[in-house]
Amino acid sequence: GAVVSQHPSRVICKSGTSVKIECRSLDFQATTMFWYRQFPKKSLMLMATSNEGSKATYEQGVEKDKFLINHASLTLSTLTVTSAHPEDSSFYICSARDFSGEQYFGPGTRLTVT
Amino acid sequence: EDQVTQSPEALRLQEGESSSLNCSYTVSGLRGLFWYRQDPGKGPEFLFTLYSAGEEKEKERLKATLTKKESFLHITAPKPEDSATYLCAVQGYTGANNLFFGTGTRLTVIP
Repeated sequence: GAVVSQHPSRVICKSGTSVKIECRSLDFQATTMFWYRQFPKKSLMLMATSNEGSKATYEQGVEKDKFLINHASLTLSTLTVTSAHPEDSSFYICSARDFSGEQYFGPGTRLTVT
Repeated sequence: EDQVTQSPEALRLQEGESSSLNCSYTVSGLRGLFWYRQDPGKGPEFLFTLYSAGEEKEKERLKATLTKKESFLHITAPKPEDSATYLCAVQGYTGANNLFFGTGTRLTVIP
């Protein structure tokens, strides 16, 4: 099956710093990439959708200036959490959709802001 | 508004004890219903996509079925390695065809 990677898998940062998370589709080209956030024992909440070369579309309530998304190519998207605060601590998961419409998920990134 | 409700929230089974997980949905035009498996600290792993009522798909001990209002994930003779959270998601024809997830069923299979 298709593989989506995320890096890093875990990151701890200090409050006020910025953190970048990479998402790559390893063996396919992704028409669209998605970023989700998941709280403990909760479902995935869509944060934003991005297409290569276009600005991301953010879901209601998600601050676009805080969660910067760059979709540089058909295989790479990055999420930068700017000026992170403890409430940004969460599990961030990216997903990539291939040309047939199937959607595959990355392994997730655990962000802890101290 | 799209809605997905999964039940039960948690399920404990003895090894070999078959059961079913439920996913009830409301969507304005179903494009697809998806089942994923998620292990703790990991991303969701794709299991099945169902597109129309009456459709069934199988993979090892898992079988997914779909009606116009709900989907079932049947687990036959489960093993401890089937322990995970099973997520259901729907995709409608509105908006950007995004997936809308339920909160999942946390399955524990006891040896």
